Amino acid sequence: EPEVTQTPSHQVTQMGQEVILRCVPISNHLYFYWYRQILGQKVEFLVSFYNNEISEKSEIFDDQFSVERPDGSNFTLKIRSTKLEDSAMYFCASSEDTSTDTQYFGPGTRLTVL
Amino acid sequence: QKEVEQNSGPLSVPEGAIASLNCTYSDRVSQSFFWYRQYSGKSPELIMSIYSNGDKEDGRFTAQLNKASQYVSLLIRDSQPSDSATYLCAVIDSGYALNFGKGTSLLVTP
Repeated sequence: EPEVTQTPSHQVTQMGQEVILRCVPISNHLYFYWYRQILGQKVEFLVSFYNNEISEKSEIFDDQFSVERPDGSNFTLKIRSTKLEDSAMYFCASSEDTSTDTQYFGPGTRLTVL
Repeated sequence: QKEVEQNSGPLSVPEGAIASLNCTYSDRVSQSFFWYRQYSGKSPELIMSIYSNGDKEDGRFTAQLNKASQYVSLLIRDSQPSDSATYLCAVIDSGYALNFGKGTSLLVTP
């Protein structure tokens, strides 16, 4: 069964450093998303991406964040200068077609900012 | 801020019983509703989607949607210890983003 994959599973970085989180969405899916979940809190939407551009973003997704689809399979989230409060699980998701379609989540990357 | 509300629990049910999980949402224009299951330290796993008023059944799971009351629920029949997890209600209000509730913790005791 096709699944969303994410690398790395755990990333430890120093405050102020740049990190890139990588995702491979399900191959025939057209919509891609990033969510985050701070420990003990709810899952929060960051950004959605369709047709090589951002289709929607939340207030969390400020200038420190960027997304890219560098090739036909990868989808990345970059955090330019990490803060302690960026420590969270970051989930990539993808959906096949319309915005109302079911989103399937990857296993997540745990980001720890020291 | 559009809200998705869930009782945090824990909801404790004995093995074999029916577990009933509830969710209310604030945005009347919401059209798409989802139940995800999340084990500790893992990612959300889709259980069911529902778009129309009424019931939708899939195996041991039944989702119920009442748009007039802005209410969606999930019933788990014949609950098993492996069903012990946090159940997340999620709504697409508009656009593309899933708006999640904080989740209800379910504990199924043998």
